[in-house]
Amino acid sequence: SYVLTQPPSVSVAPGQTARITCGGNNIGSKSVHWYQQKPGQAPVLVVYDDSDRPSGIPERFSGSNSGNTATLTISRVEAGDEADYYCQVWDSSSEPVVFGGGTKLTVL
Amino acid sequence: EVQLVESGGGLIQPGGSLRLSCAASGFTVSSNYMSWVRQAPGKGLEWVSVIYSGGSTYYADSVKGRFTISRDNSKNTLYLQMNSLRAEDTAVYYCARGSGLTGRFDPWGQGTLVTVSS
Repeated sequence: SYVLTQPPSVSVAPGQTARITCGGNNIGSKSVHWYQQKPGQAPVLVVYDDSDRPSGIPERFSGSNSGNTATLTISRVEAGDEADYYCQVWDSSSEPVVFGGGTKLTVL
Repeated sequence: EVQLVESGGGLIQPGGSLRLSCAASGFTVSSNYMSWVRQAPGKGLEWVSVIYSGGSTYYADSVKGRFTISRDNSKNTLYLQMNSLRAEDTAVYYCARGSGLTGRFDPWGQGTLVTVSS
């Protein structure tokens, strides 16, 4: 089955830019979705189809996808952005939904 | 407002059975693809099962043959029947609505905790 690899943790100072990567074999040929999950809460979709934002998600959240790496970029990071972030793709295999292992974003 | 509310979680002994429910409002379950996703304590998200609008179902290898996803159109509710439960099935179980043609999930329910322990 398809595998997505994320760094376990990323740290960034407030006001700086955070970049969270999601690696997968030729992931650039797939549509990547990103979810934010704060402690004790359900996941929330923050970026879909590589770079689109659902309504209500700040423009500070953006995404890109090329080659073997997709990236979630959070600009002007705020304390409230501290959370776990998961990438996800839809695969054509018998297990069609694949999540990355998650990345804990710490705001210093 | 689109909303999903899970119920049915609890403490169950190994080998036991449990049925989770996910009541939907603001949209029609049968017109969308729907999934169950679980999260073991302190761990990441793990996809469990999906049911398409046409009724096709798929399962993660870890639950295949033990779990069954279904829906009741008259109640606009999604279900997950879980049999032969194991300690490793302990997790918060979320239901989520599929959206678009590329497999994103939005929104998610608040989750229901299943604890498998003697």
